[in-house]
Amino acid sequence: GQNIDQPTEMTATEGAIVQINCTYQTSGFNGLFWYQQHAGEAPTFLSYNVLDGLEEKGRFSSFLSRSKGYSYLLLKELQMKDSASYLCAVKDSNYQLIWGAGTKLIIKP
Amino acid sequence: DTEVTQTPKHLVMGMTNKKSLKCEQHMGHRAMYWYKQKAKKPPELMFVYSYEKLSINESVPSRFSPECPNSSLLNLHLHALQPEDSALYLCASSQGQEYQPQHFGDGTRLSIL
Repeated sequence: GQNIDQPTEMTATEGAIVQINCTYQTSGFNGLFWYQQHAGEAPTFLSYNVLDGLEEKGRFSSFLSRSKGYSYLLLKELQMKDSASYLCAVKDSNYQLIWGAGTKLIIKP
Repeated sequence: DTEVTQTPKHLVMGMTNKKSLKCEQHMGHRAMYWYKQKAKKPPELMFVYSYEKLSINESVPSRFSPECPNSSLLNLHLHALQPEDSALYLCASSQGQEYQPQHFGDGTRLSIL
């Protein structure tokens, strides 16, 4: 079966750095995507990786290792507005997104 | 601000009503999607349109009927819905189905009485 695992909840301090891990087992791989979702709102696209390595976009970076079935999202200089759920999703061999359950990130002052 | 526009933002309807959800994008994207999302769960794929043709229907009940009038518009027609259909309905689009990221609209919050 297809499976994506990410921690249910994480807590971090304002101004700090946090890393959210995602491991996956899917039938085929056509990219790994990270989305941010605030409560009651729609998901917002953050970053994606198709090849191994690090992609940096401002305060957000995403890393991929296809051989290990592993990715992480790194958030730097945390702000209170970063409190949200972070969803990891993989496109499988049919180009359909397989979603993780999401990681709820709580930022404390 | 999102470049995928969904209307209405909120909808309350009875089980015998007929209503439609609308989605519009002007990014020239050729793939459009409908998702259903329940609270604290990830989005569930319902339908995919690629080049205005229905390419994926994830065994969705016939009370949900999608329509793609042109490359910028996507509708979801609703009829005889059940209370368990209450959810956030999300439209998304992408340049193509293959490697490109999907961009979501703000969603329609649907409540079935």
